[in-house]
Amino acid sequence: KQEVTQIPAALSVPEGENLVLNCSFTDSAIYNLQWFRQDPGKGLTSLLLIQSSQREQTSGRLNASLDKSSGRSTLYIAASQPGDSATYLCAATSGGSEKLVFGKGTKLTVNP
Amino acid sequence: GAVVSQHPSRVICKSGTSVKIECRSLDFQATTMFWYRQFPKQSLMLMATSNEGSKATYEQGVEKDKFLINHASLTLSTLTVTSAHPEDSSFYICSVRVLYGYTFGSGTRLTVV
Repeated sequence: KQEVTQIPAALSVPEGENLVLNCSFTDSAIYNLQWFRQDPGKGLTSLLLIQSSQREQTSGRLNASLDKSSGRSTLYIAASQPGDSATYLCAATSGGSEKLVFGKGTKLTVNP
Repeated sequence: GAVVSQHPSRVICKSGTSVKIECRSLDFQATTMFWYRQFPKQSLMLMATSNEGSKATYEQGVEKDKFLINHASLTLSTLTVTSAHPEDSSFYICSVRVLYGYTFGSGTRLTVV
């Protein structure tokens, strides 16, 4: 059974800082790993998707990596901005299942 | 890109009444949709998988008779919370698998008073 863990639960940084959010998973037979952003009371916005055959994906100031052997994924945010403040969730599908398994998220606050 | 529309965004209902939440895929057909529930400061938990033209598949511990799911067309799935109680108050969100990954609706905040 896949389990996804995100550390830290909360993170506060000054504007402009580069930061890394961590995600670990227990089942290395991962199919996809997807990072989402959730603003308070809102739905999920997909940020990046990494397929099992890929090691990283980039979109603008965001870079996500995947290391199946160590069971880890990271989301790197460059030059953080107050508008990046949100909860970031990682989720994985594995073992031929369509079910997304979510971590509890990291609540990011970027202070002006 | 794929867009999923969910309505209503917020609903307040009295205890004992039923509430219907709609999830629509706007520009594509979805044979499968997923319903999640999220408690405050908790992660999303899959409740059920909605299959077009057939019965939904519920996760362990989810009451089928309380959370009725209907997926009558390739673009619409509905979740009905029957005989709602205050403990059913939560954030409900639907999702659809797309070519790569998943896309989500905007969620429904249900408050049962």
